[in-house]
Amino acid sequence: DGGITQSPKYLFRKEGQNVTLSCEQNLNHDAMYWYRQDPGQGLRLIYYSQIVNDFQKGDIAEGYSVSREKKESFPLTVTSAQKNPTAFYLCASTPRGLYGYTFGSGTRLTVV
Amino acid sequence: QQQVKQSPQSLIVQKGGIPIINCAYENTAFDYFPWYQQFPGKGPALLIAIRPDVSEKKEGRFTISFNKSAKQFSLHIMDSQPGDSATYFCAASIAGTALIFGKGTTLSVSS
Repeated sequence: DGGITQSPKYLFRKEGQNVTLSCEQNLNHDAMYWYRQDPGQGLRLIYYSQIVNDFQKGDIAEGYSVSREKKESFPLTVTSAQKNPTAFYLCASTPRGLYGYTFGSGTRLTVV
Repeated sequence: QQQVKQSPQSLIVQKGGIPIINCAYENTAFDYFPWYQQFPGKGPALLIAIRPDVSEKKEGRFTISFNKSAKQFSLHIMDSQPGDSATYFCAASIAGTALIFGKGTTLSVSS
């Protein structure tokens, strides 16, 4: 079945550590997105990529980095520079130029 | 200009009631307005979407009403059921760019 796979589902990180969240899709979608969800804050855009080897910052990119070396994969690294990384992270994809997002099931990151 | 304002933050209705969730926007360049449904611990799923050249769209028990002049759109859930209890997000985008989401409405349908 086609879809988006985010892993791991739960992730714990010590303060000062970098951590990478995985997002893989087999939908042959061109565009991929990372959102952060906090209670009462909705979904806020971190980074997005319309094509391989190209990506743009969203509204809250500080403390995060991404890469897009393959069409299927869009990993997100939460760096130690991110002051408040505990959140639910969602990856999404869509065919380029079209509108409907498909979301993954999310990764819940907790800083301990 | 880029915000989408959603209300109410939470909503409780009885089974069979018609919850209504409202969203407002400022940027008249927005041309796509979807609603997403999210259950706890899951990613959001597309429920229904509308373009600004249409004033209403219905899919099953879910209806979007769109008022272009007021820059508002709303979601109505007919004959609501306990299984509709979830968080609902409105969103907007321009020409296939990244979606901008409202802050969400938590709906509880009591039996």
